[in-house]
Amino acid sequence: QSALTQPASVSGSPGQSITISCTGSSSDIGSYNYVSWYQQHPGKAPKLLIYDVNNRPSGISNRFSGSKSGNTASLTISGLQAEDGADYYCNSYSTSSTRYVFGTGTQVTVL
Amino acid sequence: EEQLVESGGGLVPPGGSLRLSCAASGFTFTSHWMSWLRQAPEKGLEWVATIKQDEREKYYLDSVKGRFTISRDNAKNLLYLQMNSLRVEDTAVYYCARGAGWYNYWGQGRLVTVSS
Repeated sequence: QSALTQPASVSGSPGQSITISCTGSSSDIGSYNYVSWYQQHPGKAPKLLIYDVNNRPSGISNRFSGSKSGNTASLTISGLQAEDGADYYCNSYSTSSTRYVFGTGTQVTVL
Repeated sequence: EEQLVESGGGLVPPGGSLRLSCAASGFTFTSHWMSWLRQAPEKGLEWVATIKQDEREKYYLDSVKGRFTISRDNAKNLLYLQMNSLRVEDTAVYYCARGAGWYNYWGQGRLVTVSS
């Protein structure tokens, strides 16, 4: 099972909104609402931002939102802040031999 | 406060074995699926294995099936990953995490280096 496809990098200025896409297939994103998103700063453990496509855990800013259309999920960061500069990964349940598949990762740069 | 603390890891030659442990605290361990994930140097995240609360269901990444075993000791709030027949490509930081499919608490990670 190949990893889900994400853009390698996305950038934006403070205050802007950016969207990170995560493209899979009918074996994963397209058939299940089990998409999650993680933020990872260098040298740190990942942090859960979104689960089940569009749910935020307690303590996560409402500047982070998730959505899905067909085989593609998206994470939108609104009101971009300097501390949002990090790597972001999507994850989905899959009916392939790899039960849980991650995206290739996206580096977000705040200009 | 929910906390996961891994131990174990280190340098091991190809074909060797290693066991990682993860001590859970601050939440009811027996109520949650638990998982191991890893991240090779300068690479992305990869799911490795997941275990149900009562150990009746276990799932593995294809490339580790038959070599890695996930287990837990619910009396001691401990999660384990026994890794045998290690390969160079298993070199990574290994994380324990709470959940199956989405992971809301993560350990700090332990580096496993497989090299001669």
